[in-house]
Amino acid sequence: EDQVTQSPEALRLQEGESSSLNCSYTVSGLRGLFWYRQDPGKGPEFLFTLYSAGEEKEKERLKATLTKKESFLHITAPKPEDSATYLCAVQTYSGTYKYIFGTGTRLKVLA
Amino acid sequence: DTGVSQDPRHKITKRGQNVTFRCDPISEHNRLYWYRQTLGQGPEFLTYFQNEAQLEKSRLLSDRFSAERPKGSFSTLEIQRTEQGDSAMYLCASSLGAGFSYNEQFFGPGTRLTVL
Repeated sequence: EDQVTQSPEALRLQEGESSSLNCSYTVSGLRGLFWYRQDPGKGPEFLFTLYSAGEEKEKERLKATLTKKESFLHITAPKPEDSATYLCAVQTYSGTYKYIFGTGTRLKVLA
Repeated sequence: DTGVSQDPRHKITKRGQNVTFRCDPISEHNRLYWYRQTLGQGPEFLTYFQNEAQLEKSRLLSDRFSAERPKGSFSTLEIQRTEQGDSAMYLCASSLGAGFSYNEQFFGPGTRLTVL
């Protein structure tokens, strides 16, 4: 069965304390891996798409990487405004498309 | 604003009533998706349309749920005979894609449903 697992469930960082969030997946027919940010009471906001192992994408303090089994979202010198839930999702195809989200990592950055 | 919009933002209903939600996608996007999200969980896929055709339905979408996308523009999601377990955030997303292209989905703000 296709599965997407994110860890840790929650993370508290001091402002400026860099860290990484993990998204591991067991799926067949991976067509893309996506990272989203979600603020409370709002819809997810698209951050990155990664297509193949070895690919990296960067945006401000965020950098996403992809291997054959997992993806990392690295946060460098975070600020309080980076506090949010970060969701990982995969698109798979094995006859039909599937869109599978992980449960997210709740990030809190303290000033 | 050219993003995805959803209406209403909040809906409180009594068990057994029918409710309908509307989603207006980004205008040039041909694909539209519905998800359900409960507290502490990631969005769960319900269904998706390419233009006006409903191409995929999750087994989560019981026969009390129906979705339409007439003319390939806005979409509606109706829940009949609501149950307390239907309480959740209903999210709509849209994307531009064809064939096996990768889909970056853009989400609306969601409709929060509370069934009493």
